[in-house]
Amino acid sequence: NAGVTQTPKFQVLKTGQSMTLQCAQDMNHEYMSWYRQDPGMGLRLIHYSVGAGITDQGEVPNGYNVSRSTTEDFPLRLLSAAPSQTSVYFCASRSSSGANVLTFGAGSRLTVL
Amino acid sequence: EDQVTQSPEALRLQEGESSSLNCSYTVSGLRGLFWYRQDPGKGPEFLFTLYSAGEEKEKERLKATLTKKESFLHITAPKPEDSATYLCAVQASDASGGSYIPTFGRGTSLIVHP
Repeated sequence: NAGVTQTPKFQVLKTGQSMTLQCAQDMNHEYMSWYRQDPGMGLRLIHYSVGAGITDQGEVPNGYNVSRSTTEDFPLRLLSAAPSQTSVYFCASRSSSGANVLTFGAGSRLTVL
Repeated sequence: EDQVTQSPEALRLQEGESSSLNCSYTVSGLRGLFWYRQDPGKGPEFLFTLYSAGEEKEKERLKATLTKKESFLHITAPKPEDSATYLCAVQASDASGGSYIPTFGRGTSLIVHP
């Protein structure tokens, strides 16, 4: 049972480049979400999904796109990277029933030059 | 709007020196308060969930308590391996659509010196 898997772990981009951060979970969780974590700012929600085909915006959605075509996968797309998107990104999932505890991935550190 | 404030931002302790971390919150109907531990370079890991005022939960040297306005994470006789960032999150009971999005505090960075 791998839990939540994020790839890549590290990435360096140039301003204007695009990329996709991958997130996969094998726990059959309905809810999945993406956070960014910056020093002194805590965890801020970017986008979330309550099930396949359903996505919604969080606190800081600008510059990011998501889709949810399967229960397992929830990729985060940066269409035109900016230095302000330099951060550590975490994917998290949970079941829609039960204790509402989030299971986090190990994180993806992104640097935009 | 739900708010979560954690204090102190950083805490340095000597091994064996007990202390407490605070998480104060304002939420329109608490569904649950969560404590997570985050080690450097890793994602947060779940510690406790508290649901109602007066509730307490323990795990090894950690004990979490809850009142109507705040939660404390008490650390008794800490060891260097307790060094981590501790995150608090609250979940409101009146979220639309059942999404129940948690609101996180900024965390307390704990360092325990041997």
